[in-house]
Amino acid sequence: GAVVSQHPSWVICKSGTSVKIECRSLDFQATTMFWYRQFPKQSLMLMATSNEGSKATYEQGVEKDKFLINHASLTLSTLTVTSAHPEDSSFYICSAESGTANTEAFFGQGTRLTVV
Amino acid sequence: DAKTTQPNSMESNEEEPVHLPCNHSTISGTDYIHWYRQLPSQGPEYVIHGLTSNVNNRMASLAIAEDRKSSTLILHRATLRDAAVYYCILNYGQNFVFGPGTRLSVLP
Repeated sequence: GAVVSQHPSWVICKSGTSVKIECRSLDFQATTMFWYRQFPKQSLMLMATSNEGSKATYEQGVEKDKFLINHASLTLSTLTVTSAHPEDSSFYICSAESGTANTEAFFGQGTRLTVV
Repeated sequence: DAKTTQPNSMESNEEEPVHLPCNHSTISGTDYIHWYRQLPSQGPEYVIHGLTSNVNNRMASLAIAEDRKSSTLILHRATLRDAAVYYCILNYGQNFVFGPGTRLSVLP
């Protein structure tokens, strides 16, 4: 099946620094990518939807200036957590869709962010 | 988004079948029923999806009620590697909205 790769798998950063997470669709062109956040023992919560070549759409309560999303090509979307704080520590997951209706979504393996 | 309800947790013995239920009484005619599972510290993994007819693949079977208000994911022989959180999600061309899912424990 299709593969979505996230990098890095885990990252530790200091408070106040920025961290970039990459999401790549390896064998298909992803017109739409989604970014989720998952806190321990909780389900995935959608943060934003990114479409190639246009601005991301953020869910209510998600700060777009803090979580910068770029979807510059059909195979790459990036999430940058700016001025990270300990409360931003979480498991971040991306998913990609090929644009064909009613097919499955493909998820990355997730990125564990720890802000110290 | 149409809502689904699942039991919080279930247990199964290894090598026995597992039936994971999902209720979706507000499903619309165009909603597909998707199942994903998430192993610890990993992203969700696609299991199966269907619209009206029962579906089978190498991982599982999906039994859909005739009125489509409920469905059951069937793992024919549970293994220890099937221990995960299983999510039942309704979707039609939009982002996937995850509920709490069912945490499946498989006992050796």
